[in-house]
Amino acid sequence: AQSVSQHNHHVILSEAASLELGCNYSYGGTVNLFWYVQYPGQHLQLLLKYFSGDPLVKGIKGFEAEFIKSKFSFNLRKPSVQWSDTAEYFCAVNSPSGAGKSTFGDGTTLTVKP
Amino acid sequence: DAGITQSPRHKVTETGTPVTLRCHQTENHRYMYWYRQDPGHGLRLIHYSYGVKDTDKGEVSDGYSVSRSKTEDFLLTLESATSSQTSVYFCAVRAPEGEQYFGPGTRLTVT
Repeated sequence: AQSVSQHNHHVILSEAASLELGCNYSYGGTVNLFWYVQYPGQHLQLLLKYFSGDPLVKGIKGFEAEFIKSKFSFNLRKPSVQWSDTAEYFCAVNSPSGAGKSTFGDGTTLTVKP
Repeated sequence: DAGITQSPRHKVTETGTPVTLRCHQTENHRYMYWYRQDPGHGLRLIHYSYGVKDTDKGEVSDGYSVSRSKTEDFLLTLESATSSQTSVYFCAVRAPEGEQYFGPGTRLTVT
């Protein structure tokens, strides 16, 4: 069975600080990896995704993530956060085959202080 | 956002009453999902569908049933609502490349 672990439940940063959110997954086969963002009161939106190829993927709003297969990790990064990045961030994994069910981490709440 | 709508957006109901939530999509995605979101639990899959009349259970399916009679509609029914089912419910579809797109959510309160 797949599982996803997000190590930080709540991260507080000041504007312009760098961000790294950890995500580790457990799955024995080929995986697709995702980061979603949920702004307060809204639904989840796709931030970026990794299927294959270059392990460093770039997403919207200056976010990027690096897939390290040997560490089963897919950490999210942003060099300089803004107040508008305040949101909850979810890492997710699914298998390319089958019903495409995704397993989500419990989420990391990011608060950016102005 | 894949043209997903959910109805109702907010509902308050009493314990023991049946409740049906509707998810509607306009882009003919094959796979559809119902999740519940609760503080500290992230997103948990309730049921999913892989085609018309083809559904299966997720990790928290007890007390819920689903139906999909048309590609565009996926219904979630709480047979007899309980306070533990107070939650925010999200519908999602799977895009061809594997990512999911989510509806706006339904906030359900069971009193």
